[in-house]
Amino acid sequence: SQQGEEDPQALSIQEGENATMNCSYKTSINNLQWYRQNSGRGLVHLILIRSNEREKHSGRLRVTLDTSKKSSSLLITASRAADTASYFCASHPKAAGNKLTFGGGTRVLVKP
Amino acid sequence: NAGVMQNPRHLVRRRGQEARLRCSPMKGHSHVYWYRQLPEEGLKFMVYLQKENIIDESGMPKERFSAEFPKEGPSILRIQQVVRGDSAAYFCASSPLRGQGDEKLFFGSGTQLSVL
Repeated sequence: SQQGEEDPQALSIQEGENATMNCSYKTSINNLQWYRQNSGRGLVHLILIRSNEREKHSGRLRVTLDTSKKSSSLLITASRAADTASYFCASHPKAAGNKLTFGGGTRVLVKP
Repeated sequence: NAGVMQNPRHLVRRRGQEARLRCSPMKGHSHVYWYRQLPEEGLKFMVYLQKENIIDESGMPKERFSAEFPKEGPSILRIQQVVRGDSAAYFCASSPLRGQGDEKLFFGSGTQLSVL
């Protein structure tokens, strides 16, 4: 079964607004990571949150993790047109060696 | 320090031909991962390799697909007798050898395979 399902699948907002996307996963994890992908390019790591952490910040990014609900959220504050991209969560399951399992992604469009 | 290098960027093959995708990890990285991405979808894990060893190939089809990461040179993902359903973007990622389970992946720009 697919780990890491994102919600919503697509999001359209105005510049300056906040963007929130959610991710659910199915099994126990070591950590959960968020990546960004611009159209036609590879993924770029944004932030990692460990299973014993509940919240983490990096610049305009805020990530939360709720292991009891097996869910995470990514908040981008004060969005910019350059934030337009697809955002993927990736879970690192405890029983899966060293590989990450990616969700289907949230496509974010920030309109100027 | 160059990032993860993948080539070719685009590859066009006819049905039945072979596709060879190359990936050079970041300097100092000895773990390589291959993922496949269909349009509008997430990345699907295919195979995880260390130098000269396949660690996990649970996501790779048993037939026609193979991967290697030799002692010298890039990692190669080979698809024999390609079919239209193999058309996708193939991404390679690398990570350093630490084994702590919290490594982030560094991705290449991908190879877009189109099968005619």
